Order: sequence, then C-alpha cells, then structure tokens
Amino acid sequence: DTGVSQDPRHKITKRGQNVTFRCDPISEHNRLYWYRQTLGQGPEFLTYFQNEAQLEKSRLLSDRFSAERPKGSFSTLEIQRTEQGDSAMYLCASSLGLGGGNTEAFFGQGTRLTVV
Amino acid sequence: QQPVQSPQAVILREGEDAVINCSSSKALYSVHWYRQKHGEAPVFLMILLKGGEQKGHEKISASFNEKKQQSSLYLTASQLSYSGTYFCGTEDRSPQTGANNLFFGTGTRLTVIP
Repeated sequence: DTGVSQDPRHKITKRGQNVTFRCDPISEHNRLYWYRQTLGQGPEFLTYFQNEAQLEKSRLLSDRFSAERPKGSFSTLEIQRTEQGDSAMYLCASSLGLGGGNTEAFFGQGTRLTVV
Repeated sequence: QQPVQSPQAVILREGEDAVINCSSSKALYSVHWYRQKHGEAPVFLMILLKGGEQKGHEKISASFNEKKQQSSLYLTASQLSYSGTYFCGTEDRSPQTGANNLFFGTGTRLTVIP
C-alpha cells in the first residue's frame, strides 16, 4: 500500500462550476477525514466517515459541500457552485479509528483548488 | 473545538531548544502531533493517550496533562530538518454522535537557522 492518495493534485475552476475530488485511503483504514487548509492555517475539519457512514459534518460547512464514501472504500468530496472563498488545499486523511489505540491519521498530498 | 497553539512562530539557531504548547477548552481523549513542511502533507510525529504521559522521538518529546487539557512538544538541540509548521491534533468525543473526532490547532511555524 502506498498510503493515502488524492486526485487531482491541482484543480483550477471558474466560479460557479462544480468540482469533485477523490480520496483513496489506506486499505485497512475504516476512518476517513476531509479537511480544508488555507495558507498559514491548520487543517480545518470538514467531515469524517466510519466505513461508509458519515458520522459528523462541520456546522460551518455550507450545503454546497457534500461527501460520500460508497462501500466504505474511496471517498469523494463535491463542491457545487464554487466561490472564490473555496480556494484552499483539501486534505484527506485515514486512520484505523480513534478512541483507544495508536491510531494516527495518515494524510494524502491534498488537492489544491483555485477558483478564478 | 479547535485547540489553541502557542507560540505562533519561533526562530531558533541550530542546537537551541523550543517548546510548543497546545490547549483545549474540551476534555481530551488524546493528543496527536504533526509536522508539515511547505507544500507537503502533515506527517505524524506521536500520539499521547493518557494524562501525564510523555513520549519521545529522538530529540523531540511531548507531554500530555489530561486534567489541564494541555500538551507540550519539546524540541531539543534543534536541527535544520526540524523546520516546518507543527500542529497539535486533539481528540474529543462528539456529543452528537458519541464518536471521537480529531481537530487541529492553528499551527506553530518553526524555523531553524544555521
């Protein structure tokens, strides 16, 4: 296993367009997280999945954002009607699960979104 | 839910020591520490599970005071390779779902100069 992979690495889109990002976690990991990171800031939590179930979604997340994890494997993050404020690095991470073990989160290289 | 880190930035000369602090307003299950270099993904350093626990990774160690909901990362005899932004991740339990989640601090930018 080569770790968490994200696709695409870079995306430039026009304002108002929809974009979709993909994350492939480490195969045995049942937890998958999406974070957004802007320059000089820490990763901001967006949502996470335990297998295929979306357990929590940030209250700050607009309805334009949606995420899925069909069959508990890869995940997609879709942003509809993109705005310039959506420009950021979108990070995906996976782990065996929190709450009782050495279950660190492994991050992908991220998808850098630029909305013009 | 986001933990607070201090200082925001620090500049060290090679061989000097530094301490980075992380505090939360919520009861914590564990604390994770990550380092991120420019243009790269965050890389895991260590996780602390119990109150008062300390861990070490070469010349980088950390402590976790569960009662104070605080953690500190200690970098001793710093090397040029230590440069980067350090994030603490705090694990707490969601009252809505009962599941644990991982939130990251604002980061501490560390620069080590020769």
